[in-house]
Formats: sequence, structure tokens, C-alpha cells
Amino acid sequence: AQSVAQPEDQVNVAEGNPLTVKCTYSVSGNPYLFWYVQYPNRGLQFLLKYITGDNLVKGSYGFEAEFNKSQTSFHLKKPSALVSDSALYFCAVGRNYGQNFVFGPGTRLSVLP
Amino acid sequence: EAGVAQSPRYKIIEKRQSVAFWCNPISGHATLYWYQQILGQGPKLLIQFQNNGVVDDSQLPKDRFSAERLKGVDSTLKIQPAKLEDSAVYLCASSGRGRVEQYFGPGTRLTVT
Repeated sequence: AQSVAQPEDQVNVAEGNPLTVKCTYSVSGNPYLFWYVQYPNRGLQFLLKYITGDNLVKGSYGFEAEFNKSQTSFHLKKPSALVSDSALYFCAVGRNYGQNFVFGPGTRLSVLP
Repeated sequence: EAGVAQSPRYKIIEKRQSVAFWCNPISGHATLYWYQQILGQGPKLLIQFQNNGVVDDSQLPKDRFSAERLKGVDSTLKIQPAKLEDSAVYLCASSGRGRVEQYFGPGTRLTVT
């Protein structure tokens, strides 16, 4: 069975500083990994995905994520945080095209001015 | 292209009443998902359709929840009768052929009193 852990409920970072939101996963076989962002009263917005290839994937709004197979991690990063990045971030794992995702519990990111 | 549409956005009902939610996926997307997101948690898959066939409904409480996707386009999720613990946001998502990422609608916030 697939599972996702996001070990931090809340991450606080000052505007302009780098940010990291952590995600670890468990899945049999090769994982498909995703990050989504959720703003208040909005649905989830797709940020980026890892399927295969380069371990560093770049996504929307300047976000990137690094796949680490040995540590079964897929941490989300951004070099310079913006106040507008404040939101709820979800990591998700899947195993195959057309299969459903398992989402983590979410991490609330607060970027302080 | 237009995103995933959902209605209503908000619904308040009393326990034991029935409620229905509607979703129209992105045009051409064959796969449609319904998720339940309880406050403070990540989305949990209820049912997945491929065209008008059910792929996975293992987590759908079938004694009270039902869903259909007639003609393989829009979909309806129904709860009858509702319980207090059904209070949540119900998210619809779709994915296109050959694409693994899912695109989410804005969700329907259900409050059961």
C-alpha cells in the first residue's frame, strides 16, 4: 500500500529566505510523486511531478523538488519565499498512469514579511 | 481551457437529509475522481471513473454514498442519508489521456448539522 508522510504540520519562513517542505513516501515499485498547493476556499493546484529522469524537477511559481530514492523523499523547495506562497501544501504518491493518488496530511507554509 | 467545474460551492443540510454534488471535468479528460477532504487532512479518494466505468470505489461508503458518470462526461455524487461525519469538502478532479497529474475543481463544502 502507498503512504505519504509530511512530518511538519507548519513551516514558518521569512520572506526572501529559502523554503523547504518535507515529504517522505512508501510505495512498492517506482513512485510517481506530486506536489499540490491549496489556497483558502480553493481546490488543489498542481505544482510539479516526478515520474522518471532527472531527480530535480522544476514546477510552477519557482518551486522545485528533489527526488531521493535512497531516502524515499521528495522535498519541495524554493530559493526565495514570497508572502503569497503562504498556503497548504500536499505531497502525493501514485504508482501508475490512471491510478489514484494517496495524499499526505498537508503542511501549512507561512511566509512572514 | 476551462478547468474542472463543481456545484454547489457550499451546502448546509441536516443529518439524515440527502445531498447531491455535480462535477464537470476538463473537456476530453477520460478519468474523473471524487475525493473527500476532512478539515485538517489530505484528500481521500472516494471513487474513480474511467469514461463511464468505475475503476476504484473501494473507499466509497456504499450504504450511503453513490456516484454516477453517465455518458462519460459530467458526474454526480450523492449522499443519502447524511451523517455529521460527512461534513467535509468534496473535491472533483480529472486527468487526461496519457497524463498522470490530476486537475482539481474548487470543491463543495458540505456542513451537516
